[in-house]
Formats: sequence, structure tokens, C-alpha cells
Amino acid sequence: DQQVKQNSPSLSVQEGRISILNCDYTNSMFDYFLWYKKYPAEGPTFLISISSIKDKNEDGRFTVFLNKSAKHLSLHIVPSQPGDSAVYFCAASGVGGATNKLIFGTGTLLAVQP
Amino acid sequence: NAGVTQTPKFRILKIGQSMTLQCTQDMNHNYMYWYRQDPGMGLKLIYYSVGAGITDKGEVPNGYNVSRSTTEDFPLRLELAAPSQTSVYFCASTYGGVGEQFFGPGTRLTVL
Repeated sequence: DQQVKQNSPSLSVQEGRISILNCDYTNSMFDYFLWYKKYPAEGPTFLISISSIKDKNEDGRFTVFLNKSAKHLSLHIVPSQPGDSAVYFCAASGVGGATNKLIFGTGTLLAVQP
Repeated sequence: NAGVTQTPKFRILKIGQSMTLQCTQDMNHNYMYWYRQDPGMGLKLIYYSVGAGITDKGEVPNGYNVSRSTTEDFPLRLELAAPSQTSVYFCASTYGGVGEQFFGPGTRLTVL
């Protein structure tokens, strides 16, 4: 049972345009959501997060939107740069008490074309 | 400040062999985690620890054991390696019960 889903395995965008990565979840108990970026042969690195009490969080070129009623979040990257090419994982936490256990989606491979 | 370090980077095991994957963090984090990532899949939690001497199972603990004798170290033990344990293993740490986790570079393990 996949509680966090990223239905697009890959996405290709042109440099300078907007990249939109999507994530859906099924467990309404999740109260904190994170996006991680992963380059090949490296560990995931934290990008941006959002608490369930908010619907938007922005950090430079990265914005995360949360729609609790739809159990959907999205990551917007504007403008996209070739260095953004990586696998992006959505993750959720909030179940299991204060253990900060993360449930990850399967990832979306973003390719930004110069 | 090295962050989270993992050794070895790569390892090939034969079926039935055992090994320990090492994980060390120098950020004085209380919480530590072991994940595995299979091709085309997300990361799945194997074991976690909320402090020295305290460990608990995650989503996929079968075939693994852990210990946490110090704040810094969280080794993962494979006792009888099986081909199903071929994966990339990531260790992570964080200070408290909410917030980002910091990941190590991973150990790529192949069991033949």
C-alpha cells in the first residue's frame, strides 16, 4: 500500500521554464511534508518542507503547495536550471508519534534541457 | 563537520555471508535511521533509533539488526545475506521528532 505516490516517473522541461512536480498521499494523519533532491551516487539532500497548517512555503526558486482536501502537494521550480536535473522525492511524516519516520514516494526524474 | 558518513561505499557479498554497514554522524543528533532504496522505488525505512540504547523496527526490518551504543554510531548488521538484500542503503540523522533528515552518501550492496 503506497501511502505517498509520485505518479510521474519522469519530467522534461526547458531551461528557464517552470517545473512542476506532483505528489499525492493517502494518510490524513501526515502533518509534515518534505521534498528531497537526489543526484546519482549521492544521498538525498533536503530541499524544502511544509507543515500541514500551511498551504504554501517558498524558498528562492522553490515553492511547495499543499492542498489538504485533495491530499496533494506540488513542488514548483522557477526558473528551472540544468543543475536542477535530478530525482526528486516527496516524503511525509507525522504517524508513529514523535519519531519523525519518513514515508517516501518513488521519485520523479527531472531533466532540464539547456 | 563531516555530517553523516557511511562505510563502505560498495560491497559484494555471497549468499549467506554477513556484514556490518557503518554509519556515523558528528552533529550530535538524537535520531538516526536506516533506509534502503531499490531500483525505481522510494526509500523504505529498515530501523530507526531515537537515542542511544533505543532502537525500533521500521517498514522492512526482516534480515537486519541494529544497535545504538553511542549517539554518533548506528551500525546495520546483515547476518545471512540474501539476493533480496541487494540495494542501496542510506543512513540518516536528525536532531528531533520533526524536521529534515540529513543523509549519508549511501552504501551500494550486491548479494550474489
